Amino acid sequence: DTEVTQTPKHLVMGMTNKKSLKCEQHMGHRAMYWYKQKAKKPPELMFVYSYEKLSINESVPSRFSPECPNSSLLNLHLHALQPEDSALYLCASSQDPLAGGRETQYFGPGTRLLVL
Amino acid sequence: GDSVTQMEGPVTLSEEAFLTINCTYTATGYPSLFWYVQYPGEGLQLLLKATKADDKGSNKGFEATYRKETTSFHLEKGSVQVSDSAVYFCALSDIHDMRFGAGTRLTVKP
Repeated sequence: DTEVTQTPKHLVMGMTNKKSLKCEQHMGHRAMYWYKQKAKKPPELMFVYSYEKLSINESVPSRFSPECPNSSLLNLHLHALQPEDSALYLCASSQDPLAGGRETQYFGPGTRLLVL
Repeated sequence: GDSVTQMEGPVTLSEEAFLTINCTYTATGYPSLFWYVQYPGEGLQLLLKATKADDKGSNKGFEATYRKETTSFHLEKGSVQVSDSAVYFCALSDIHDMRFGAGTRLTVKP
C-alpha cells in the first residue's frame, strides 16, 4: 500500500479564517513533506519533517504553520492567508530520512485551496 | 545547485504515436531520478525511477534510462493512448530534497 491521504479535497477560506489541512500515511514512512503547486508549475517544497521533527523550512511565511503530531500524521495550519496563497497543497512521504535523501516520495491527491 | 531541465510542452500526439520527453539534470552527487505523472485535478503519481547509472526504469509501457555520460533521463513510450494525456514531471532526489522539472503537458488525440 503506497497511499497518502489528504483532507479536505477542496477548501475555500477568507483572509481572516483559520483552517487546517491534514495528511495521513500508514506506510511506516519517517519523512513527510508539504509542497505548494500553482497552476501549470511544478511543486515547490515548503516543509520537511524527519522523525516527527521539522528539518527543512523553505522560508515559508509564518501564516503557514506545520505540525507533525505523530509519525503517521502531518498537518498544515493556515491563518490570515492571502489570495496569492491559492494553490494545490500536496503532502508526500518517504521511507527513511537517513537513507541519503535519494528515496521515492509518495504523494497524496492534494488539497485545492482558494483564498478569497 | 542540483537542477532538472525538461522539454517544454505542450506536446500533442495522435494515438499510437511514439513519445519522447527529454530530461537532463545537473547534480554534484549521485541522485536518483524519477518520472512522475499528474492527471487533471490529481496529485503526483510515481511513474518510474532509476537509482544509478545505466539503470532502466519502466512501467505501463513507459521507459527511461539513467545516462550519466549525457546526464539525461529521457522518457519514452512506443505507442501512446488517449489515457496517457497528463502532465509529466522529471525529478531528481539527492541528500535532502527533490527537484522537479517544469513539467510537460501531453495531449493524445484519438
